[in-house]
Amino acid sequence: GNSVTQMEGPVTLSEEAFLTINCTYTATGYPSLFWYVQYPGEGLQLLLKATKADDKGSNKGFEATYRKETTSFHLEKGSVQVSDSAVYFCALSGPGEDSNYQLIWGAGTKLIIKP
Amino acid sequence: NAGVTQTPKFQVLKTGQSMTLQCAQDMNHNSMYWYRQDPGMGLRLIYYSASEGTTDKGEVPNGYNVSRLNKREFSLRLESAAPSQTSVYFCASRRGQASNQPQHFGDGTRLSIL
Repeated sequence: GNSVTQMEGPVTLSEEAFLTINCTYTATGYPSLFWYVQYPGEGLQLLLKATKADDKGSNKGFEATYRKETTSFHLEKGSVQVSDSAVYFCALSGPGEDSNYQLIWGAGTKLIIKP
Repeated sequence: NAGVTQTPKFQVLKTGQSMTLQCAQDMNHNSMYWYRQDPGMGLRLIYYSASEGTTDKGEVPNGYNVSRLNKREFSLRLESAAPSQTSVYFCASRRGQASNQPQHFGDGTRLSIL
């Protein structure tokens, strides 16, 4: 079945460092891919998405490219800020066994940015 | 811009008590979902409703029931709460079941069962 694997956290970086959070997936067909962010005490917010191979999603300085050849959707940001501290979830949407398009979630990666 | 609204935000129950978590969305979405989030476990789907009038079990449905009251509202009921149901519960909605559509989340209900 479909699955998503994210790098384990926490990931601790200094302000202005370069960020990569790895996400790989297993899926049949051509799923859509998403990154969500969860700030402390809040719900999940859509950060970016990509719906076909080689698409690049971007938002708030974050980017991720849908790589079908490596089944990956790594999240990157060139210069992180303390305000980026949050938990980041990778997810895919594709047909499941019942043909419904459920979101399959990674376990989440906690990001801590130190001033 | 209310989006997805969950009530209550916090609740403490005693073992064996019952309660209903409410969720409403104002985006005219067809599909709605209930998740629980536990430390180190990510999000786990409890129940979902692909469209008004239908509900289906997710990954962890035991101990829960749901009602899709109308297109806007989707409630989650704990009939006899157990300490293992202590968690943060999130409701989400989605325009439809198409692959490229994201889910939109409420702010969660933090539930403690003593």
